[in-house]
Amino acid sequence: AQKITQTQPGMFVQEKEAVTLDCTYDTSDPSYGLFWYKQPSSGEMIFLIYQGSYDQQNATEGRYSLNFQKARKSANLVISASQLGDSAMYFCAMRAVLSGGSNYKLTFGKGTLLTVNP
Amino acid sequence: DVKVTQSSRYLVKRTGEKVFLECVQDMDHENMFWYRQDPGLGLRLIYFSYDVKMKEKGDIPEGYSVSREKKERFSLILESASTNQTSMYLCASSLSQVRRPQHFGDGTRLSIL
Repeated sequence: AQKITQTQPGMFVQEKEAVTLDCTYDTSDPSYGLFWYKQPSSGEMIFLIYQGSYDQQNATEGRYSLNFQKARKSANLVISASQLGDSAMYFCAMRAVLSGGSNYKLTFGKGTLLTVNP
Repeated sequence: DVKVTQSSRYLVKRTGEKVFLECVQDMDHENMFWYRQDPGLGLRLIYFSYDVKMKEKGDIPEGYSVSREKKERFSLILESASTNQTSMYLCASSLSQVRRPQHFGDGTRLSIL
């Protein structure tokens, strides 16, 4: 069974500083993927970044980067130059491939509430 | 952009009622999902479907059923609503490619009185 752990229920950061949100995972599958989503107070889930287990480089998308340490089973999200609009709940999720190999489902962590202070 | 539309943003129903939550996506995605989100528990998968008329149980299917008669529409049914089903319900869809993300609707906040 797969498991995602986000140990930080809440985090605070000053505007313009960088922040790291932790995510550790557990799986016996050699092939897996990790997603990060952002959920503002309005409720919609916004996809941020993806890292595949066989990807040679850490994923980056604008101000978002993923610090992927496979041996430690961690996939931490780094947000650089925080903005007030980054205040939201952040979820880490792991992909489990279904039968047939092309479909998958996600297992989510419990989330981290990030607050950016001016 | 992918658009996933949930029929209601807020819904209030009574215990014992049959409740339908509707979800429509406009990007011809094969896969569709229903989650519920509760504080401190994250998102938990109720049911999913990877083809028309196909459905699979997720992690918490008890008390729910689903219907997928057309590719673009995935319905979640509470057969006899109970107060412990008060929650935020999120629908998502995705292509059948493992690197592709799931795209979510805005959610339905359901209250069972």
